[in-house]
Amino acid sequence: DVKVTQSSRYLVKRTGEKVFLECVQDMDHENMFWYRQDPGLGLRLIYFSYDVKMKEKGDIPEGYSVSREKKERFSLILESASTNQTSMYLCASSPKHRNYGYTFGSGTRLTVV
Amino acid sequence: AQSVTQPDIHITVSEGASLELRCNYSYGATPYLFWYVQSPGQGLQLLLKYFSGDTLVQGIKGFEAEFKRSQSSFNLRKPSVHWSDAAEYFCAVGAVWFSKLTFGTGTRLQVTL
Repeated sequence: DVKVTQSSRYLVKRTGEKVFLECVQDMDHENMFWYRQDPGLGLRLIYFSYDVKMKEKGDIPEGYSVSREKKERFSLILESASTNQTSMYLCASSPKHRNYGYTFGSGTRLTVV
Repeated sequence: AQSVTQPDIHITVSEGASLELRCNYSYGATPYLFWYVQSPGQGLQLLLKYFSGDTLVQGIKGFEAEFKRSQSSFNLRKPSVHWSDAAEYFCAVGAVWFSKLTFGTGTRLQVTL
């Protein structure tokens, strides 16, 4: 069964900590995405990547960075976590060419205290 | 810029009743349209997608959606709702060859017994 796996379902971190959210896909997809989901705001794109070592800013990149050293893995980094980054984070992947939609991971609910 | 509007934040229906969730999109070219469902605490699952051809598309779990170009709409329907359909539903739009999707803010469906 093909999947996108996010390493943690729940995380609690302290303000100012550096936080890593990991995402791995086993479908050999070129594209990978990080969204955050907040009530009333839907899904907002943070960063995406079309290939290894490539990254593009989404709609709300401030306070985040990403890393894609291997095709299957896409990491989201919160350089210095703040309480307004408390949210559900969703990773997704898709093949490079024709747009068949995304496959999503189960999400990581991050709480920053 | 592409956008998606889901005008209903919250809908309540009785089990066995019919359901229609509204989605309006703004897109400058031929859109690819998607509906996703999210159960509590989970990631998003693809319900159905529209690429071209027949404007009525069938999806999983008994859902269907109709593409109406003249109204820029892609409404989701189900003839008879089950209690297990209670979830949040997201409409999304993207390009044919470019994979980035834009999501609506979601509609939360509550099913009463």
